[in-house]
Amino acid sequence: EVLLVESGGGLVQPGGSLRLACAASGFTFNTYWMSWVRLAPGKGLEWVANIKYDESEKYYVDSVRGRFTISRDNAKNSLYLQMNSLRAADTAVYYCARDGPWTGFDSWGQGTLVTVSS
Amino acid sequence: VMTQSPLSLPVTLGQPASISCRSSQSLVHSDGNTYLNWFQQRPGQSPRRLIYKVSNRDSGVPDRFSGSGSGTYFTLKISRVEAEDVGVYYCMSGTQYIFGQGTKLGIK
Repeated sequence: EVLLVESGGGLVQPGGSLRLACAASGFTFNTYWMSWVRLAPGKGLEWVANIKYDESEKYYVDSVRGRFTISRDNAKNSLYLQMNSLRAADTAVYYCARDGPWTGFDSWGQGTLVTVSS
Repeated sequence: VMTQSPLSLPVTLGQPASISCRSSQSLVHSDGNTYLNWFQQRPGQSPRRLIYKVSNRDSGVPDRFSGSGSGTYFTLKISRVEAEDVGVYYCMSGTQYIFGQGTKLGIK
């Protein structure tokens, strides 16, 4: 069974940083693209970033490029999202998801809440 | 841009429901596949993929859910709505990684 467990969310002030982690199990992690997707309060789903299985390709939505960095550690079956210069608009539940690619996300974690507020 | 309609869909139990999704550009990839996917998010739960590449149902998805369409216009249909279908439905372009605004399905 595929299992994705996020951690690292919390309350942070505007301009601050946070690092999210996602622990994966139940599949061969180093053969899959992985993504972060978020759901802001009162909004719809938004893809944030993804990373190829060998880290050779990384892509970001325009609103986070230059502030967020996606990475992975295949030895630890883990995915990360380093979030810097956080803004109120980044407040959301962040989901780790296994990525097709192109066919969408076939497995999702339970999500971790990030709140950016003073 | 992915545009869904309606944004709110009240349905009587046992009745059919249909959600449309229009893309501002063709979703046909150079490999010949059309990467249009559908997701469901029930209240308090994580999203779940229902349909990928227009019409392929995920494992465990009831056959009352079906997807169709081509090019820039796509449809998700539920043949007979059940109480467990309540939630928000999103289409997603697999080529651009853009979601539609979401359609909130509720029971009348």
